[in-house]
Amino acid sequence: GAVVSQHPSWVICKSGTSVKIECRSLDFQATTMFWYRQFPKQSLMLMATSNEGSKATYEQGVEKDKFLINHASLTLSTLTVTSAHPEDSSFYICSALPAQVQAFFGQGTRLTVV
Amino acid sequence: RKEVEQDPGPFNVPEGATVAFNCTYSNSASQSFFWYRQDCRKEPKLLMSVYSSGNEDGRFTAQLNRASQYISLLIRDSKLSDSATYLCVVNMGTGGFKTIFGAGTRLFVKA
Repeated sequence: GAVVSQHPSWVICKSGTSVKIECRSLDFQATTMFWYRQFPKQSLMLMATSNEGSKATYEQGVEKDKFLINHASLTLSTLTVTSAHPEDSSFYICSALPAQVQAFFGQGTRLTVV
Repeated sequence: RKEVEQDPGPFNVPEGATVAFNCTYSNSASQSFFWYRQDCRKEPKLLMSVYSSGNEDGRFTAQLNRASQYISLLIRDSKLSDSATYLCVVNMGTGGFKTIFGAGTRLFVKA
């Protein structure tokens, strides 16, 4: 299957700092990638759709100025959590769909804000 | 109404049992359907695609009913290793293509 690589797999940061998470499609080009967030014992919630060369589309309730998404190339999308706070601590996962069929996921990033 | 709804869990079953999960989706224009499995603190992994004609893979059988907007997953002869969260996943193509997950159903298989 297709390979999506996400980095870092875990990060601990101080409150008020920013954290960047990278999502790469290793063996296919992805014009669209998706960013999800998952809190403990809850399902994945779609945060935003990342579009190569254009602005991301954010789901209702997700602050676009806090969760900055950049999709500068066909193989890389980044999510930056700006001015992180403890309530932003979560599991962040990206996905991409080669040929818009099944989704392949990155390994996820566990963010802890202290 | 949520776009994708699943059976509330958890399901606690003994080894060897047969267990069925149900899922409904609200958007009739949804294009493709999947079951994913997610282990604790890991990313979801594709279990199987779901077709109207049914799809069987070993002990797992998935079925789609487009008229009822209903998806099912049947696990026969449950193993301890089947313990996980099972996610119903729908690809929607209207208003921008996106993948929507159900809340997931937790399965515990016990010896």
